[in-house]
Amino acid sequence: NAGVTQTPKFQVLKTGQSMTLQCAQDMNHNSMYWYRQDPGMGLRLIYYSASEGTTDKGEVPNGYNVSRLNKREFSLRLESAAPSQTSVYFCASSEAGSSGIREQYFGPGTRLTVT
Amino acid sequence: QKEVEQNSGPLSVPEGAIASLNCTYSDRGSQSFFWYRQYSGKSPELIMSIYSNGDKEDGRFTAQLNKASQYVSLLIRDSQPSDSATYLCAVNNGEAYKLSFGAGTTVTVRA
Repeated sequence: NAGVTQTPKFQVLKTGQSMTLQCAQDMNHNSMYWYRQDPGMGLRLIYYSASEGTTDKGEVPNGYNVSRLNKREFSLRLESAAPSQTSVYFCASSEAGSSGIREQYFGPGTRLTVT
Repeated sequence: QKEVEQNSGPLSVPEGAIASLNCTYSDRGSQSFFWYRQYSGKSPELIMSIYSNGDKEDGRFTAQLNKASQYVSLLIRDSQPSDSATYLCAVNNGEAYKLSFGAGTTVTVRA
């Protein structure tokens, strides 16, 4: 099993450009998440999908959109990139249910630089 | 007040010693607690989860939870240079599907 995979691993964008970060998991998890990690800030939740067909905003959703394509895949889109979106982006998945949260497993990350 | 707070470190310990990491959280309704290890340039890796008060041991790692005092700790016994990493505390405050992460404590094990 590959676990959680992400593409691309690295990306450099110019301000105003758009791009989509891809994430897939093969653990049959219902829930998937997108985080960003900045120095000294810890991991912050951007969007999550509790189950196929649903998405919800996290702590820092502005400037991002997501699509839960199917149970395996969850993509994050930057419509008009800004330098403030320079960060490391992690996708995660879990078996979380409505009564509580279980362990989240992370992908390898995408290092994005916006110039 | 941040939801989850950790000492930022760095915490330097000699090889073979015990490394002790602490984490406090603000929401008394928190139910699930996790410790992740993150090597430089890599993604977080789950090492421990704990859901009830007391100690939970897994190999050289022990997680301790005290809900009354709102803290969770991680002990690393017989520390090895390979334990040098940043350790992230994560807490679920009862809101479904969401984890709050601390900023992490960086541990350096010196040979």
